[in-house]
Amino acid sequence: RKEVEQDPGPFNVPEGATVAFNCTYSNSASQSFFWYRQDCRKEPKLLMSVYSSGNEDGRFTAQLNRASQYISLLIRDSKLSDSATYLCVVNLRISNFGNEKLTFGTGTRLTIIP
Amino acid sequence: DAGVTQSPTHLIKTRGQHVTLRCSPISGHKSVSWYQQVLGQGPQFIFQYYEKEERGRGNFPDRFSARQFPNYSSELNVNALLLGDSALYLCASSLDPGGQPYEQYFGPGTRLTVT
Repeated sequence: RKEVEQDPGPFNVPEGATVAFNCTYSNSASQSFFWYRQDCRKEPKLLMSVYSSGNEDGRFTAQLNRASQYISLLIRDSKLSDSATYLCVVNLRISNFGNEKLTFGTGTRLTIIP
Repeated sequence: DAGVTQSPTHLIKTRGQHVTLRCSPISGHKSVSWYQQVLGQGPQFIFQYYEKEERGRGNFPDRFSARQFPNYSSELNVNALLLGDSALYLCASSLDPGGQPYEQYFGPGTRLTVT
């Protein structure tokens, strides 16, 4: 089983629609969770951290369910500029001496259609 | 403020050669991590360095090595290059691995092509 699993898509969504991404992770000791966005041939950019209580940043809402080991990202009122690959990322702290490991999903490709 | 910088941006090497990739973290960041991203996949963790010491290593062969300098910049070295080493190599920096959440910021990457 992969450590972080995402639906690879692609998702083709009309402008203005709401789109949801889901992600599951296998290691229950994982400590922090993120969504990154990656444009074609560019580096990943941190979109948002994901907190247990859920968090929102404008049109973006992230949720975490530790019991189910499940992370989600909701994009409302999608824009053309939202077209990108969305990466689900999980951090596992190996030790208390600065040993951190980010594990990425394969990413979900999103295309917003005019 | 300058973000994470990496050099070179592109590189073409032949099988069996050696390559050195360089990374400068965001000012004030002490931790640097290296990732390999092949087409269609998410980045794979190679190394993490903090305060000039290796703190973590992914499932990569010993041909891959790295180091961090006193100014927190870092180098990734790959020996005896294979065709399968062709990928985007990403460097990420973070302020303090002890902080939560552990947010990393990526540089633009070095695109390595092995022929």
